[in-house]
Amino acid sequence: NAGVMQNPRHLVRRRGQEARLRCSPMKGHSHVYWYRQLPEEGLKFMVYLQKENIIDESGMPKERFSAEFPKEGPSILRIQQVVRGDSAAYFCASSPAGTALLYEQYFGPGTRLTVT
Amino acid sequence: GNSVTQMEGPVTLSEEAFLTINCTYTATGYPSLFWYVQYPGEGLQLLLKATKADDKGSNKGFEATYRKETTSFHLEKGSVQVSDSAVYFCALSASQGAQKLVFGQGTRLTINP
Repeated sequence: NAGVMQNPRHLVRRRGQEARLRCSPMKGHSHVYWYRQLPEEGLKFMVYLQKENIIDESGMPKERFSAEFPKEGPSILRIQQVVRGDSAAYFCASSPAGTALLYEQYFGPGTRLTVT
Repeated sequence: GNSVTQMEGPVTLSEEAFLTINCTYTATGYPSLFWYVQYPGEGLQLLLKATKADDKGSNKGFEATYRKETTSFHLEKGSVQVSDSAVYFCALSASQGAQKLVFGQGTRLTINP
């Protein structure tokens, strides 16, 4: 059973370009979470999605960032007009149900975004 | 709001040494507590968890006890190995069915042979 897959593993963008990060959850998982890790900091929650629904986006910056988890295909985290401060590692996690109290979140290897 | 504070790293030990990585938290209600480990180039893996006060989580020789009176969840191992070298993250999930995890900043552990 393949784990959570993220691609690309490394992404370099110039300021002002768009970045698209993809996450394929584990088989049978319908819940996806995105976290961001800035240099020398812990992971910070960004957004929690179920298929075709955003459940909690309290950690998402108000502008330039968006996320989706369509009925078919991977979850996408999209960053428009990237700035240097967006450089970070972005981790995706999935679970078979919503609450982290009961179900483990399985993490992908992350996408390291560098904005030049 | 909810937060997790971890012992600052990096931590370097010799093989077979005793390990403690401190973790304290601030949260309302009764959170669940977790330790995750990240090996180089990989995603985070759940190492152990505890869901209520005085619970002890354990796995692969690592242990942590949920101490509500001191709001702590310190990670311990009696005899570390070179293969334990990794980054360790303490995390919590707030009560009331919350979905998101709140992480500490991580502690990089290096074990020398």
